[in-house]
Amino acid sequence: EDQVTQSPEALRLQEGESSSLNCSYTVSGLRGLFWYRQDPGKGPEFLFTLYSAGEEKEKERLKATLTKKESFLHITAPKPEDSATYLCAVRPRMWTSYDKVIFGPGTSLSVIP
Amino acid sequence: NAGVTQTPKFRVLKTGQSMTLLCAQDMNHEYMYWYRQDPGMGLRLIHYSVGEGTTAKGEVPDGYNVSRLKKQNFLLGLESAAPSQTSVYFCASSYSFWGKGFNQPQHFGDGTRLSIL
Repeated sequence: EDQVTQSPEALRLQEGESSSLNCSYTVSGLRGLFWYRQDPGKGPEFLFTLYSAGEEKEKERLKATLTKKESFLHITAPKPEDSATYLCAVRPRMWTSYDKVIFGPGTSLSVIP
Repeated sequence: NAGVTQTPKFRVLKTGQSMTLLCAQDMNHEYMYWYRQDPGMGLRLIHYSVGEGTTAKGEVPDGYNVSRLKKQNFLLGLESAAPSQTSVYFCASSYSFWGKGFNQPQHFGDGTRLSIL
């Protein structure tokens, strides 16, 4: 069964304290892996797409990496404005009649000043 | 450019009442989706549409109906609301695979928070 899990469920960091969020997936082939940021009361906002193992993408203090079974979202020297829930989503390679995307439950990140 | 707009933002219903959630996108996307988001769970697909006039069931379709009469609009209906339908509902849209390939992300609205008493 296709599945996406994320860890930790919640993470509390001091401002400037770097860390990583994990996304593990079990799918029958990967067409793409997506990272989203979700602020309270808002919809998910697209951050990155990764396609193949070894790929990396960066945006400001965030860097996303991909292996064959998991992805990491590295946060370097975070600031309070990085506080949000980060969602991972996987698009399986299997053919479907629609855009099947499986979402993980998210990691809630709090950055304390 | 508003992106994906959902109305209303909040709603409280009594069990058995009906309502319609509205979604509009201005990005000329072919695909549109309705998800629900519950605590501790990932977004779950309720219904989707791959084009104007077409709809289909997702993972959790029971108790919901949808319509897509115009390309830019996707409506989600609750015919007889139940407490189990208390959730946050998100609409999303994306380009079709045939037009832009398989690397396009889905774009989301800001959700409708629905409580069923």
